[in-house]
Amino acid sequence: AQSVTQLGSHVSVSEGALVLLRCNYSSSVPPYLFWYVQYPNQGLQLLLKYTSAATLVKGINGFEAEFKKSETSFHLTKPSAHMSDAAEYFCAVSLYNQGGKLIFGQGTELSVKP
Amino acid sequence: DAGVIQSPRHEVTEMGQEVTLRCKPISGHNSLFWYRQTMMRGLELLIYFNNNVPIDDSGMPEDRFSAKMPNASFSTLKIQPSEPRDSAVYFCASSKGSGGAIGQYFGPGTRLTVL
Repeated sequence: AQSVTQLGSHVSVSEGALVLLRCNYSSSVPPYLFWYVQYPNQGLQLLLKYTSAATLVKGINGFEAEFKKSETSFHLTKPSAHMSDAAEYFCAVSLYNQGGKLIFGQGTELSVKP
Repeated sequence: DAGVIQSPRHEVTEMGQEVTLRCKPISGHNSLFWYRQTMMRGLELLIYFNNNVPIDDSGMPEDRFSAKMPNASFSTLKIQPSEPRDSAVYFCASSKGSGGAIGQYFGPGTRLTVL
């Protein structure tokens, strides 16, 4: 069965610093991978997705993620954090032919210090 | 384009009352998902539909919860009777196709408080 693990329930960075949010997955077949962002009191918004094309995926708001099969990882990065990036981030995995069902990680709360 | 629409946005009710949450998926999407989010348990999938048919309801906590999708543009999640432990934010999400490559699009959620 597939699963997702996000390392670190809370990450704090300074404004302008690199953002790195870690996600590892477990799947017996190549998965589809997603990152979602949730701002306070809002729903989840799709940030980016990997669907077996390019391994480096660019998303909205300057975020990108790299699929590394050998490490079963899909870490999310942004070169320079902005105060507006403070939110909760969820990594998720789905498999082909499961009706779009997603397995979510536990979430990582990102804080950005001025 | 309109996203996923949920109503009401906030609901406050008393224990024992019936609660009905509503969702309108994105037009053309054929999969619909209901989630519950709490601080303690995080994001939980309750049930999902594909082409209006319930596919997996293993996440529904108990018989007090029921969900329907009478047509492609409308779904309800009902709790009867409601209990304080049902207090949470309930999200509806929709997706297109069955391949899983599209991802899900979430509504703004319904914040339910059961007193």
